[in-house]
Amino acid sequence: DIVMTQSPDSLAVSLGERATINCKSSQSVLYSSNNKNYLAWYQQKPGQPPKLLIYWASTRESGVPDRFSGSGSGTDFTLTISSLQAEDVAVYYCQQYYGTSFTFGPGTKVDIK
Amino acid sequence: QVQLVESGGGVVQPGRSLRLSCAASGFTFSSYGMHWVRQAPGKGLEWVAVISYDGSDKYYADSVKGRFTISRDNSKNSLYLQVHSLRAEDTAVYYCAKDGAHSGSYLDYWGQGTLVTVSS
Repeated sequence: DIVMTQSPDSLAVSLGERATINCKSSQSVLYSSNNKNYLAWYQQKPGQPPKLLIYWASTRESGVPDRFSGSGSGTDFTLTISSLQAEDVAVYYCQQYYGTSFTFGPGTKVDIK
Repeated sequence: QVQLVESGGGVVQPGRSLRLSCAASGFTFSSYGMHWVRQAPGKGLEWVAVISYDGSDKYYADSVKGRFTISRDNSKNSLYLQVHSLRAEDTAVYYCAKDGAHSGSYLDYWGQGTLVTVSS
């Protein structure tokens, strides 16, 4: 199975500053036939279910603010919050959906400094 | 709008069985794959199982293979997870989630979850 890792485990960022979360897969999640990375990002606030933010590594889900962006390819991916807002305090998970297993990363907690 | 409502959770003794249900509405249920994902208290997300839009393909996490069975009834817009031989480590909130495609894609809608507590 593909193992997902994330860094850092947690970070604190000042309001309006940039937050960057890294995600690494143990093998490539780039499908060569369609050149798509099978990688998604989710946001989970306390007491709520996860919410899809980004899919295909860089496609923003409808309704997600454009301060959220995803990048990367192959095995290394990044979620960037360009200007952190108070409502962005949450745990963020990456997930791969390559093949028949759908493993999540361990999560990164984002707080306000 | 898409709605997913889980039910069937509760307190159950180790070794017993349980069936979780997920009622779906607001989309063409029979056109999309569906997943179960769980989250132990204070822990991260763990993918459990997926079923294709027509029920022909099913895949499981190694941690539940042989004990959990995913199924669906497209005539009732419902998803199920039959869980057997429950262990303490199965204690978690169980979410059902809609696949973004027929099967094997990102999870674009999630229910609120149902809590399963395995305890004697």
